[in-house]
Amino acid sequence: RKEVEQDPGPFNVPEGATVAFNCTYSNSASQSFFWYRQDCRKEPKLLMSVYSSGNEDGRFTAQLNRASQYISLLIRDSKLSDSATYLCVVMVTGNQFYFGTGTSLTVIP
Amino acid sequence: EPEVTQTPSHQVTQMGQEVILRCVPISNHLYFYWYRQILGQKVEFLVSFYNNEISEKSEIFDDQFSVERPDGSNFTLKIRSTKLEDSAMYFCATRTGVNSPLHFGNGTRLTVT
Repeated sequence: RKEVEQDPGPFNVPEGATVAFNCTYSNSASQSFFWYRQDCRKEPKLLMSVYSSGNEDGRFTAQLNRASQYISLLIRDSKLSDSATYLCVVMVTGNQFYFGTGTSLTVIP
Repeated sequence: EPEVTQTPSHQVTQMGQEVILRCVPISNHLYFYWYRQILGQKVEFLVSFYNNEISEKSEIFDDQFSVERPDGSNFTLKIRSTKLEDSAMYFCATRTGVNSPLHFGNGTRLTVT
């Protein structure tokens, strides 16, 4: 069983749409959770950490459900510049990070 | 904003040759990592490094690979005898401490011919 699973997509949405991605993790001892954004042939860039109470940063909202072992990312009012691959990253111990395969998003004009 | 810097951005080498990939971590970061990503695939963990020694390594990180921090600033990944399947993007990542997120460098694209 994979440590972190994501729907690879692709998600193709019109500008202005709301889109949500989910990510499940297998290890109940997972400690920290993150969403990264990766553009083609570039490095992953931290989008946001995910806190237990959920958190919001502008148009982006992240949620954590420890009971069901999933995290989510909601993007409101999608922009063309949001087109990228979104990586779910889970830290299991103080030093082990597990990456999902990423969910591809294309925002269409 | 401080950045993790990697050089070179692209390295082409022949099979069997040695390569050294370099990373300059963010100055107050204490934990260092190497990851690789084969085109179209997921990011894979290679090795983590803390307090001048390897803390963990994956099964990918075999005897052909080594890491060091020779001068207290650069963090290097050496591949002794490259294989075709070593062709990938190699990312250095660093972080300040426990529970903090990874900050990635710009990557080195390694092409083995």
